[in-house]
Amino acid sequence: QKEVEQNSGPLSVPEGAIASLNCTYSDRGSQSFFWYRQYSGKSPELIMFIYSNGDKEDGRFTAQLNKASQYVSLLIRDSQPSDSATYLCAVLYNQGGKLIFGQGTELSVKP
Amino acid sequence: SAVISQKPSRDICQRGTSLTIQCQVDSQVTMMFWYRQQPGQSLTLIATANQGSEATYESGFVIDKFPISRPNLTFSTLTVSNMSPEDSSIYLCSVVGLADFSYNEQFFGPGTRLTVL
Repeated sequence: QKEVEQNSGPLSVPEGAIASLNCTYSDRGSQSFFWYRQYSGKSPELIMFIYSNGDKEDGRFTAQLNKASQYVSLLIRDSQPSDSATYLCAVLYNQGGKLIFGQGTELSVKP
Repeated sequence: SAVISQKPSRDICQRGTSLTIQCQVDSQVTMMFWYRQQPGQSLTLIATANQGSEATYESGFVIDKFPISRPNLTFSTLTVSNMSPEDSSIYLCSVVGLADFSYNEQFFGPGTRLTVL
């Protein structure tokens, strides 16, 4: 059973702080990893993906991947109230496009 | 990224009836998928919609309950058949662009919110 685990939260951080979202996965053969943001009542929107060990930065977002530990994280710097949403980690298990999603972490950024 | 639309955006249906959901993309895409998101839950893949052939279903989902069509590279339909209240969910289509050969970035449509009474 291929699994993707996230802390369900809610995770609450003050405005301007760094929010850290974590995800672990069970299949060592996984190649690509995705972070989606989902506002209440909306569909998921892709924030970024990562496939190499290390860090990948895009604006205020940094994805970190450690394949040896089967761990992927998302850091949000200078968190804003508009970042309040559920963040979904997804793992690609084969090139046929099958994504397995974690249960999501609810983030709340307090002004 | 592609612009994806779904119809209807929401519907309320009676048990035992069927509903067909449409997914239209403004450009040709390689892969199209259908997901379900039950209330308060994450996304679960129902099937991969294959152009010109039968869809590939995930464990727990069958063609008789969720028939899927994909007549071309920009359009797909999902039918939820013989509905029960347990089928109340958001149904989402997602796509992978033609130029995406490796990373399979998936973009989601706006979803169809289905309530079965």
